Amino acid sequence: DAGVTQSPTHLIKTRGQQVTLRCSPISGHKSVSWYQQVLGQGPQFIFQYYEKEERGRGNFPDRFSARQFPNYSSELNVNALLLGDSALYLCASSLAVQETQYFGPGTRLLVL
Amino acid sequence: QQQVKQSPQSLIVQKGGISIINCAYENTAFDYFPWYQQFPGKGPALLIAIRPDVSEKKEGRFTISFNKSAKQFSLHIMDSQPGDSATYFCAASMGDDKIIFGKGTRLHILP
Repeated sequence: DAGVTQSPTHLIKTRGQQVTLRCSPISGHKSVSWYQQVLGQGPQFIFQYYEKEERGRGNFPDRFSARQFPNYSSELNVNALLLGDSALYLCASSLAVQETQYFGPGTRLLVL
Repeated sequence: QQQVKQSPQSLIVQKGGISIINCAYENTAFDYFPWYQQFPGKGPALLIAIRPDVSEKKEGRFTISFNKSAKQFSLHIMDSQPGDSATYFCAASMGDDKIIFGKGTRLHILP
């Protein structure tokens, strides 16, 4: 049984570029959340989506955006990349809101 | 402002010993306190979780102790094994899915 999958696994971008990260939730899960994990720190909440609607947003600038598709997969977009955006981006899925979240392996983004 | 404070930052324990990681929180609206285990190159995996109406929860070698009045909770790993070597995160949330994580404890179990 497949867990949460994320693509790509690694990504290198330069400052000012834009990036799109993808997440496929566990089959049957309708909620997807995104987290940023800077090296040596705990994950920080970015967004949560449920049934294609945004349910929550963390303290991140408007350069960060996301969406959820009818098949419940999700994309995280980051515009005008900064060096400080270098991090592991984690996607987590849950059956519904306020249910246990299961994390994917993450996408490691390096901004040069 | 750090809403969940975790200590120690790193911990070395002999095989068979007890590993203890502590966390403190400020917001009394938190109603769900999970612990996550993360291995290098992997995403965090839920280990065990507790709600504030319970003072202790045990699952196998892992136990959460919860002190509501002190706003503290801790993870105890009994009979620690080398395979337990990982980074552990305490976390908290309040009725929604925005999980707030501590900064993590890097645990190393000596063989």
